[in-house]
Amino acid sequence: GAVVSQHPSWVICKSGTSVKIECRSLDFQATTMFWYRQFPKQSLMLMATSNEGSKATYEQGVEKDKFLINHASLTLSTLTVTSAHPEDSSFYICSAPPDRYNYGYTFGSGTRLTVV
Amino acid sequence: EDQVTQSPEALRLQEGESSSLNCSYTVSGLRGLFWYRQDPGKGPEFLFTLYSAGEEKEKERLKATLTKKESFLHITAPKPEDSATYLCAVQDPEDYKLSFGAGTTVTVRA
Repeated sequence: GAVVSQHPSWVICKSGTSVKIECRSLDFQATTMFWYRQFPKQSLMLMATSNEGSKATYEQGVEKDKFLINHASLTLSTLTVTSAHPEDSSFYICSAPPDRYNYGYTFGSGTRLTVV
Repeated sequence: EDQVTQSPEALRLQEGESSSLNCSYTVSGLRGLFWYRQDPGKGPEFLFTLYSAGEEKEKERLKATLTKKESFLHITAPKPEDSATYLCAVQDPEDYKLSFGAGTTVTVRA
């Protein structure tokens, strides 16, 4: 089946620095990628949708200048958390929607971000 | 706005003790209801997609059913390895966005 490879699995960074998270679709092309964040014991909240070759669309309340999304190719989408603060600490997950080959949404393995 | 409510919030089962999880939803024009399993610190793992009322799907000890207002995930004779959080999500009728429920955390004791 389809696989989305997400890296890194975990990262610790200092306040004020930026962190980049990558999601690569393996063996298939993802023109769209969804980015979620998940706080402990809570469900997934959609942050934004990235589309290859165009600007990302952000959900209400998500700061587009803080969470930069780039979808430069059909197999790579990135999320950069800029000027990170402790409240940005969370579990970030990407997901590719179903296509004619895959019936379910394919999720990455997630990135645990801790800002100290 | 799509609403997805899962119950119970947590479920503790003895190995072999069958049970059901509920997912109720409000969406105009369901395009798909999805069940996922999520282990701690991992991304969700796809289980089932249901599209229309009356549809049922099975996989090992899991069976998902769908009505016009809710879906059930039945766990038959669970084993400790079935311990996980089970997430339900509905697809927005306008696009591919998913709305997730809060999940049901299942713990199966040997």
